Amino acid sequence: EVQLVESGGGLVKTGGSLRLSCTASEFTFSVYPMNWVRQAPGKGLEWVSSISSGGNSIYYADSLKGRFTISRDNTKNSVYLQMKSLRVEDTAVYYCARETRHGFNMDYWGQGTLVTVSS
Amino acid sequence: QSALTQPASVSGSPGQSITISCSGTSSDVGANKYVSWYQQHPGKVPKLMISDVSNRPSGVSNRFSGSKSGNTASLTISGLQAEDEADYYCSSYTSSSTYVFGTGTKVTVL
Repeated sequence: EVQLVESGGGLVKTGGSLRLSCTASEFTFSVYPMNWVRQAPGKGLEWVSSISSGGNSIYYADSLKGRFTISRDNTKNSVYLQMKSLRVEDTAVYYCARETRHGFNMDYWGQGTLVTVSS
Repeated sequence: QSALTQPASVSGSPGQSITISCSGTSSDVGANKYVSWYQQHPGKVPKLMISDVSNRPSGVSNRFSGSKSGNTASLTISGLQAEDEADYYCSSYTSSSTYVFGTGTKVTVL
């Protein structure tokens, strides 16, 4: 069964940095685009970023540009989210999600990793 | 990119049908066929319920159906069951090659 496992979350001070990882298994990772989606405590889903299967097409939510960087390593079946200049409002559970190959939907999601930014 | 607009809550009795709307713009919902719906139970991971406006992934009950008219998409749950009580989010791919989610709707089974 498809598995996505996020790691790297934790407690960080405002202005700090954090790198999230998502490791995939049980599917051919290199042919699927991947996304990061976050959910603040008690709030709705917010799309963060996407990366194409080969890593050459990358998109970000306008509100995050310049602070977050998505990348992937297909040899390690992993996608990453480098976050810098973190703010209290970045506190959320961060999910990685697989995008369907023929369409723009997210069919599998990881369990999420909690990022808490405190002042 | 502003969030798509959904009603905050919708409720219905077991066996009834309910519809959740998802209002966007010509740059997202109205731009293409890539509207999805996700179900999220408390403390759980979102689950894809409808893809490409009206397609049901394998394993999703046929009580769930989706449609779209112009800039507004809809999710209908027929034969409402207790297990359907959850939060529901629409999502749309946009003309800028990004995604936008809806504000979310809490479904309550009375």
